[in-house]
Amino acid sequence: NAGVTQTPKFQVLKTGQSMTLQCAQDMNHEYMSWYRQDPGMGLRLIHYSVGAGITDQGEVPNGYNVSRSTTEDFPLRLLSAAPSQTSVYFCASSLNRYEQYFGPGTRLTVT
Amino acid sequence: TQLLEQSPQFLSIQEGENLTVYCNSSSVFSSLQWYRQEPGEGPVLLVTVVTGGEVKKLKRLTFQFGDARKDSSLHITAAQPGDTGLYLCAGVRGNMLTFGGGTRLMVKP
Repeated sequence: NAGVTQTPKFQVLKTGQSMTLQCAQDMNHEYMSWYRQDPGMGLRLIHYSVGAGITDQGEVPNGYNVSRSTTEDFPLRLLSAAPSQTSVYFCASSLNRYEQYFGPGTRLTVT
Repeated sequence: TQLLEQSPQFLSIQEGENLTVYCNSSSVFSSLQWYRQEPGEGPVLLVTVVTGGEVKKLKRLTFQFGDARKDSSLHITAAQPGDTGLYLCAGVRGNMLTFGGGTRLMVKP
């Protein structure tokens, strides 16, 4: 099992560009989520999904879109990148909300 | 203001010392988790505590959930350099997991 995989590992965007961060898991987990991690802020929940076709907003959803067409994949879309979205992004999956398995992260810089 | 406040934010100690990290909130959580994160990696779950007053031990680490399920502590006995990392607490409410700001621990040999 690969667990939770994220691509790319690093990305630099210009303000206004759009992009999709990819997340995939091979553990057949129903629950998947996206977090961003900024210095001193811990992790903040962006969006989450409790199963294919179901998504909901977390603490900081503005500027991000998600969809969940399959159990395995949960991409995160930045519609128009802003410098405030410079951060490290983590995807996580779990059977329930409790034991979350995190991917290795995507380090995004917006200039 | 974060829903979960961790203290201290930074801790630098010598190998062999004991330490306690605190995670406090004014909100009640259905369960609370502790994670450890190494540089360049995602957090890894250490433990989940569910019942108020619950104590769990993981080798030299002892986790306690407050009676009112609003706070938790992590105690490390005889810390080792391998314990160095960022320790994060996270509370579960509904379908959401809320993280504290983290405690960065450095254990010097």
